[in-house]
Amino acid sequence: NAGVMQNPRHLVRRRGQEARLRCSPMKGHSHVYWYRQLPEEGLKFMVYLQKENIIDESGMPKERFSAEFPKEGPSILRIQQVVRGDSAAYFCASSPHNEQFFGPGTRLTVL
Amino acid sequence: GIQVEQSPPDLILQEGANSTLRCNFSDSVNNLQWFHQNPWGQLINLFYIPSGTKQNGRLSATTVATERYSLLYISSSQTTDSGVYFCAGEGGTSGSRLTFGEGTQLTVNP
Repeated sequence: NAGVMQNPRHLVRRRGQEARLRCSPMKGHSHVYWYRQLPEEGLKFMVYLQKENIIDESGMPKERFSAEFPKEGPSILRIQQVVRGDSAAYFCASSPHNEQFFGPGTRLTVL
Repeated sequence: GIQVEQSPPDLILQEGANSTLRCNFSDSVNNLQWFHQNPWGQLINLFYIPSGTKQNGRLSATTVATERYSLLYISSSQTTDSGVYFCAGEGGTSGSRLTFGEGTQLTVNP
């Protein structure tokens, strides 16, 4: 059973561009979470999704950020008009119910 | 949501030493996990332990849910144990999301 997959592993964008981060949960897991880790800090919750539904987006910035988990395909975290402060590691986790399993992360660098 | 405090923030050990890391929670938790973030940034699941005691090789963990704390024990530490150890809890009004502590930075010297 493959683990949580994330791609790309590294992403470089210039200010104002869009970033799309993808997450494929473990087989059989219907719960997906996105977390952000700023340099030298712990992980902070962003959004919790189940198939086709956003359950909790209380940690998501109100502007420029969106997330989806369509019926088919991976979950997508989208950041529009990126700024330097968006540079961070973005981790996806999946869960069958309780325990969460994390992917390797996408390291976003905004130039 | 819940608050998570980890101690110590930094720990330096000689290879072979034992150590105890602590995690305190401000409220009761339904889910408690320990992770190791290795120097490459990957998060490795160590324990899912909302209560009780578990052991996995040189690592063990104990959660006392009624007193809102958890402990991670590392015995006979190795240089490969270096990295950041995070605990994270889910509970209170936080729904299903994990709230992470700030981590313990462990350095094991040869």
